[in-house]
Amino acid sequence: NAGVMQNPRHLVRRRGQEARLRCSPMKGHSHVYWYRQLPEEGLKFMVYLQKENIIDESGMPKERFSAEFPKEGPSILRIQQVVRGDSAAYFCASSPSGSGTNEKLFFGSGTQLSVL
Amino acid sequence: TQLLEQSPQFLSIQEGENLTVYCNSSSVFSSLQWYRQEPGEGPVLLVTVVTGGEVKKLKRLTFQFGDARKDSSLHITAAQPGDTGLYLCAGPNFGNEKLTFGTGTRLTIIP
Repeated sequence: NAGVMQNPRHLVRRRGQEARLRCSPMKGHSHVYWYRQLPEEGLKFMVYLQKENIIDESGMPKERFSAEFPKEGPSILRIQQVVRGDSAAYFCASSPSGSGTNEKLFFGSGTQLSVL
Repeated sequence: TQLLEQSPQFLSIQEGENLTVYCNSSSVFSSLQWYRQEPGEGPVLLVTVVTGGEVKKLKRLTFQFGDARKDSSLHITAAQPGDTGLYLCAGPNFGNEKLTFGTGTRLTIIP
């Protein structure tokens, strides 16, 4: 029973390129969350999605960032025209239902994005 | 957004000592969760506390939820090197589904 799978584990991009981060939730989980973590800091919420719907994107920067969770396939976090400040660890988590119900979140191992 | 402040930010102690880390907020939370994160990995849930005043034990770890549900503490007895990691508290924001994470306590246990 595979856990939350994120790929790639490490991604290096030059300024101005696009970064695509993928997240496959645990089997049976229909809720996906993306968080960003800077060194020596906690996790900052970015976006919450259910299948084919964005439920809460209040933590997403208004420009260059987008997320999707299609009916088939993994959730994708896309960062266009990356800048050095985008360098961080991006974590995906999934749950069978919303975390507001005290449901446990299962986290992936993260994608470390480095922008040169 | 409800904020969670954790203290201390960094803690380094000798193996065998006891320690307590704190998670505080000015807001009331319906529940609080504690996670441990190791380098290069995602956070792993340790416990969820729901009732004000609740105490939960997980081997050498004791978690307490404040009576007013605004704060929580984690006490570790006889710390071991395997306890090393980043400890994060998190709670759901009222009215939406997202978890807000605290600032974290980075714990290092020296053998």
